[in-house]
Amino acid sequence: AQSVAQPEDQVNVAEGNPLTVKCTYSVSGNPYLFWYVQYPNRGLQFLLKYITGDNLVKGSYGFEAEFNKSQTSFHLKKPSALVSDSALYFCASRPPSGYSTLTFGKGTMLLVSP
Amino acid sequence: KAGVTQTPRYLIKTRGQQVTLSCSPISGHRSVSWYQQTPGQGLQFLFEYFSETQRNKGNFPGRFSGRQFSNSRSEMNVSTLELGDSALYLCASSTGLAATNVDTQYFGPGTRLTVL
Repeated sequence: AQSVAQPEDQVNVAEGNPLTVKCTYSVSGNPYLFWYVQYPNRGLQFLLKYITGDNLVKGSYGFEAEFNKSQTSFHLKKPSALVSDSALYFCASRPPSGYSTLTFGKGTMLLVSP
Repeated sequence: KAGVTQTPRYLIKTRGQQVTLSCSPISGHRSVSWYQQTPGQGLQFLFEYFSETQRNKGNFPGRFSGRQFSNSRSEMNVSTLELGDSALYLCASSTGLAATNVDTQYFGPGTRLTVL
């Protein structure tokens, strides 16, 4: 069985500072991992994914994520936060074969203050 | 390329009624998945349709059903609505070719269902 954990309900960061949103996973085999962002009253927007290869994955809007197999983590990062990055962030996993179904973490609210 | 569209965006129903939600996937995508999002339970998978066949199902009661048409558009139906069915229902489309690394799910804006 797969599971994804986002240990922080909320992350607060000042604009211009680096941000990290944490995600750990428990997946049998090699995982496919994703990050999505949700703005108020909107659907989920795809940010980036890890399939295989380089542990540092670059995505949309300047976000990147680092896959760490030994720590079973896939933290989302951005070097310099913007107020407009304030949103709800979801980490998700999918098995490497079979169905496309995503298993989501509970989400982390990111608040970037001016 | 147009994104995933969902209609209607908002719905208000009363207990006991039934509701049908619609989802049009990205052109060329053959897989449509449905998710329920609530503050308490987060994002939960309902079911996935691929080429008009349900190929995966989450842990929801039989009141929740769906179907997919030959043009890949999908509908989701909830019968005998309960207060707890109030949620944001999200549809996601993908190629459905799970073995490839291009199979990313792209989400629609959702349908906000309120059950009174």
